[in-house]
Amino acid sequence: GAVVSQHPSWVICKSGTSVKIECRSLDFQATTMFWYRQFPKQSLMLMATSNEGSKATYEQGVEKDKFLINHASLTLSTLTVTSAHPEDSSFYICSASPGAVNQPQHFGDGTRLSIL
Amino acid sequence: AQSVAQPEDQVNVAEGNPLTVKCTYSVSGNPYLFWYVQYPNRGLQFLLKYITGDNLVKGSYGFEAEFNKSQTSFHLKKPSALVSDSALYFCAQYSGAGSYQLTFGKGTKLSVIP
Repeated sequence: GAVVSQHPSWVICKSGTSVKIECRSLDFQATTMFWYRQFPKQSLMLMATSNEGSKATYEQGVEKDKFLINHASLTLSTLTVTSAHPEDSSFYICSASPGAVNQPQHFGDGTRLSIL
Repeated sequence: AQSVAQPEDQVNVAEGNPLTVKCTYSVSGNPYLFWYVQYPNRGLQFLLKYITGDNLVKGSYGFEAEFNKSQTSFHLKKPSALVSDSALYFCAQYSGAGSYQLTFGKGTKLSVIP
């Protein structure tokens, strides 16, 4: 099946550090990628939708200057958490869409971000 | 806006017994429906989808789901539960309007008891 690779799996860093998370679709071209945040025992919260070659569309309440998204190619999107603080600690998950509604999104394995 | 409801936060079932995880969806055109499973500290894994055609959809790991248009439901089922099926299950629907964005249910935690 389709594979989406997300790195790193775990990040522990000091407050004020910027952290970059990569999401790659390994065996298909992803016209659209999504970034989610998940709090413990809760559903996924969509943060932004990323289309290759264009600016990301952020959901209401998500700071675009805080969470920088780049989708430079059809196989790679990155999320950079700038000047991270403890309240940014969370589980971040990306997904990639093959660009057809009859095809499912495929998810990365997530990144556990812990800000000290 | 689309909405997906999973009425049960948790479902407990004995190993070997049949399991059902419930999902209802909002109606808007042709629904594109999906089930995903999430294991601890992992992303979501695709189980199955309903796009069109037969109302009974078969997916991975022995799971199946029944699409019921009159009840706007898409319940996930498995004839015989395994302990390894214990996980968090999400029902999802495409948001529509040309978007590939998914609307998720809140998730149902399935616990299979040995």
